[in-house]
Parts: sequence; structure tokens; C-alpha cells
Amino acid sequence: QSALTQPPSASGSPGQSVTISCTGTSSDVGGYNYVSWYQYHPGKAPKVMIYEVSKRPSGVPDRFSGSKSGNTASLTVSGLQAEDEADYYCSSYAGSNNPYVFGTGTKVTVL
Amino acid sequence: QLQLQESGPGLVKPSETLSLTCTVSGGSISSSSYYWGWIRQPPGKGLEWIGSIYYSGSTYYNPSLKSRVTISVDTSKNQFFLNLSSVTAADTAVYYCARFRIVGMHFDPWGQGTLVTVSS
Repeated sequence: QSALTQPPSASGSPGQSVTISCTGTSSDVGGYNYVSWYQYHPGKAPKVMIYEVSKRPSGVPDRFSGSKSGNTASLTVSGLQAEDEADYYCSSYAGSNNPYVFGTGTKVTVL
Repeated sequence: QLQLQESGPGLVKPSETLSLTCTVSGGSISSSSYYWGWIRQPPGKGLEWIGSIYYSGSTYYNPSLKSRVTISVDTSKNQFFLNLSSVTAADTAVYYCARFRIVGMHFDPWGQGTLVTVSS
């Protein structure tokens, strides 16, 4: 099972929006509505920002939103803030043989 | 508030077995709503799911690691464990433990992670 494909980097100025893609296959992203997004600040524990494609856990700002079309999921961060600068990883359920696969990760820079 | 803490040796010799413990506090590992998982991140690389376990002992493993991985649980101690055998330098990584929510299929929360280096 290959990792889901994400762009290595993305950037935006404060207040702008940035969108990160996550491309898989019909066996993972396209086959299930179980895409999650994690925010990772080096040295800290990863934090879930989106689950089930577009649901936000309590406490996650509504500036974070998720969507999916076919085999590609997306995370959009609106109104970028300095603290949004982090690595972001997508993940997806991929069936009983290899239940969980992560993306390659995207470094978001706030200019 | 649920917390997870990884513990174990920070240095393991090649060909030996890497053993880590995840201690869960602030909640019971015996909840029917969750699995418990291990994830790792090699230096400069992305996250890799290693495997997950239910409190009953039922497990799922990453096929690429399945021949070398054993995950177990001790509900009396609220702990679960990772054993990875025949390690090489490629197994050097930060290892995280995390709770896997069955509803929603995502990991939340995670431990802080522990760096394990494989070197002689």
C-alpha cells in the first residue's frame, strides 16, 4: 500500500487561504469517507484537525475545512495565522488488509 | 483528559528487538469505542502506521511490517506494547502511540513520541 500523495509545500500570507491536496486511489481515499487531516508541529504530538473528510473535532477553528472529490481529498486553511505554520498529513482508511495509510506530508509556511 | 506516554530504550542494536510501552492515563484502555495504535516517523520522512490493537487483543498490522511486529495489551496496567524484531537503521524513527477512534476512524489523542535510534 503506497502512501497518499501530497505536495511537499504550500504557503500563504496571513489572512489568505491555502489548500492542500491528498491523492490516493479508489482503494483508500476514493473508496471511503474516512479521510483525516493531522497538524504536526515538530517536537509536539500530532493533532487531528479534520476527520471523516469534513468534520472538525471540538476546539478546532472553523478556519479549517475539508472536502473530497473522487480519489483526492483537500484541506483548506482560511484566514491563515502564524500558528498554522506546521506540517500537515492526510490519512485514509484503506480496507481490512491495510487499514490505515498516511499521506507524504505538506509543510505549510505562513509568509 | 486522556493522555498517552511512550517509554522504552532510546537506542537499540541492529538485529535486536525494539520494545516500547504506551501508558494510558485519564481513561480506560478497555473502552469498546477505541483501538490503540502505534505510528512512527523516520527522520525527515512522513508518518507510517505500524499497527493497532483492541482491548480484547485483536490486532491489525501494516502488511509491510507484519512479519516483524507484535502489539499486545495489558488492561490491568492500562498499557499496550510494541515489539519490532530484527531492526535495522531503517527502523530509526520517532515512535508515537495514539488512541484510534472507531467512529470517525482517526487517531486522537497522540502521545508526545519517543525517538528510537538503531545503531551499534
